[in-house]
Amino acid sequence: IAGITQAPTSQILAAGRRMTLRCTQDMRHNAMYWYRQDLGLGLRLIHYSNTAGTTGKGEVPDGYSVSRANTDDFPLTLASAVPSQTSVYFCASSERTSGAYTQYFGPGTRLTVL
Amino acid sequence: GQNIDQPTEMTATEGAIVQINCTYQTSGFNGLFWYQQHAGEAPTFLSYNVLDGLEEKGRFSSFLSRSKGYSYLLLKELQMKDSASYLCAVKNSNYQLIWGAGTKLIIKP
Repeated sequence: IAGITQAPTSQILAAGRRMTLRCTQDMRHNAMYWYRQDLGLGLRLIHYSNTAGTTGKGEVPDGYSVSRANTDDFPLTLASAVPSQTSVYFCASSERTSGAYTQYFGPGTRLTVL
Repeated sequence: GQNIDQPTEMTATEGAIVQINCTYQTSGFNGLFWYQQHAGEAPTFLSYNVLDGLEEKGRFSSFLSRSKGYSYLLLKELQMKDSASYLCAVKNSNYQLIWGAGTKLIIKP
């Protein structure tokens, strides 16, 4: 792999179901992020991880959880999906959080909750 | 609150020049980023400004005025492939990126 991969590419999910979105990077970046992107709104940060073993809440964390057991993987879990979680989800990573360190994005997961 | 404002949509002609403005109000400032996003794809990095002034990178330039909370992205010699959304983002005091909603740029032949 090169860069960031996300799975699945798209998913239709029944409300109330549990779902895990997967994200893997091979750049050995310390920091990773989960965003959601909705029409007419900017990217909104859900959760982040500055380094393996640590996580933090972003702007819109409710209904989502994350873990960072190692450097490469940063899964996002929806414990009980609701229709308002219909969105495009992007995982991103950066070498560090500070200064000019650029965030690189995965291809995204398009999630529809019915 | 934190806010990034940019125009929703702009139209320009192939071969011309277009300037996309971004104004921001954030808790702290640790740099401003511009990203390009083609429809259905992920954002990709274009430029970074942390000091006042103009940064030039080929056909693309980005300007920053920290005192005015203002930036612009200048695209020269427009090509059809430049049709995309352009996202402005500011890194705040917590080193988190605050994003604008994006400017959809439509290029006409």
